[in-house]
Formats: sequence, structure tokens, C-alpha cells
Amino acid sequence: GAVVSQHPSRVICKSGTSVKIECRSLDFQATTMFWYRQFPKQSLMLMATSNEGSKATYEQGVEKDKFLINHASLTLSTLTVTSAHPEDSSFYICSGGGGSENYGYTFGSGTRLTVV
Amino acid sequence: DQQVKQNSPSLSVQEGRISILNCDYTNSMFDYFLWYKKYPAEGPTFLISISSIKDKNEDGRFTVFLNKSAKHLSLHIVPSQPGDSAVYFCAARGNAGNMLTFGGGTRLMVKP
Repeated sequence: GAVVSQHPSRVICKSGTSVKIECRSLDFQATTMFWYRQFPKQSLMLMATSNEGSKATYEQGVEKDKFLINHASLTLSTLTVTSAHPEDSSFYICSGGGGSENYGYTFGSGTRLTVV
Repeated sequence: DQQVKQNSPSLSVQEGRISILNCDYTNSMFDYFLWYKKYPAEGPTFLISISSIKDKNEDGRFTVFLNKSAKHLSLHIVPSQPGDSAVYFCAARGNAGNMLTFGGGTRLMVKP
């Protein structure tokens, strides 16, 4: 079945530093990668949609200069949280979508970011 | 404005009985619906989906029912097992770009 590998699973960083999260589709080509954020006991909120080879589309209220998304290939998308602040601490999840419906929009395992 | 709602934040069921998780939506343009199971600090795991042209899809212990006129879908798990205890999210696809819109989730607890 389709697998999306997400790394790192946990990261702790200092305020002001940047953190990169990677998502790789291992056995399918993710022409589209979705990036979500989940706060404790809340739903998954879509942050942005990235399409291979083009600029990402950000949801309202998401700062594109803070959350840099790169989707340089059909199997790799990255999210970089720049100049991280404690309020950026959250659970970030990617999903490879746009392919066969049988994949059911496969999700990565998530990244727990803690900014101290 | 929440387009996908799961009005029950939690549900407790006895092992072996049926679990029914409900989801309502407002956008009639949604054409594909999915259910996911999620554990804390993990990504959602796909369970089952249904196209808007169908009213039922079954896969083992999981059945999803779709009532388009009521804009309502439900996930039935039977028989429920303790390992089913998790948070369940319904999601809908539509609008532009194939993105998914998630409900708020329902925490299912299956008691032995």
C-alpha cells in the first residue's frame, strides 16, 4: 500500500531557529502534498497545499514566509518553520494526495515540534 | 464556518457491540468522504471511504453509510474491539484542489 514517510517524528528547537520537516512518498508519486497542523484535542487544520514544481497554496491565516514549503520532486515535500516561536509548537502532518483514490490520502506519521 | 462536523466528542461502547460514529457536512459539492483513525502523536490511518454516488461501502467490520439528502454519513464498527479505541475523524473532499476538510473528531472508547 501507499506509504508516506515523515521525519523527524519529534524535534525540540530554540526560539528563533528554523526546523525542516520532510515527507517522502515511498511507493507512489505524490503530485500533491498537503500539510496539516493539529493542536491538542483539536482537528487537523490544512495549512497549505503543495504541487510538484510549483508554488504552494496557503490557507487563510497561514504565513507563507514563516512556513516555507518546497515540493521539488514527485516524492519529496518539505515544510520549514522559520524563526520558530513557542506558539508554533504543534503536531505537523503531511499527506500525499491527488493520486489514486485507492490510496485514501495517505498520511505521514507526524512531527511533534516543541519550541523552547 | 465548519463544513464538516462531528457533534459527539466522545463515545463509549462495550466490546462486541456496535459503534456508530456520525458526521454531518454542509457543502453539497463534497464528492468523496473518508474515515480515519488516529492515535495521539501519530498520523491518521485511513479506514474506509465512500464516493458521493454511493450510499454504502463495507470493508470487514467497518461500514460507511452516506445520506446525501441529509448531508450525513456514519461509520459503523461491528463488533467493536478494545483495539478500536482511538479518535476517529471524518473527512470530505471537494472544493478546489482535492484537499480534505476534517471534522473535529470523536474519541471512541471500547470497554472490555
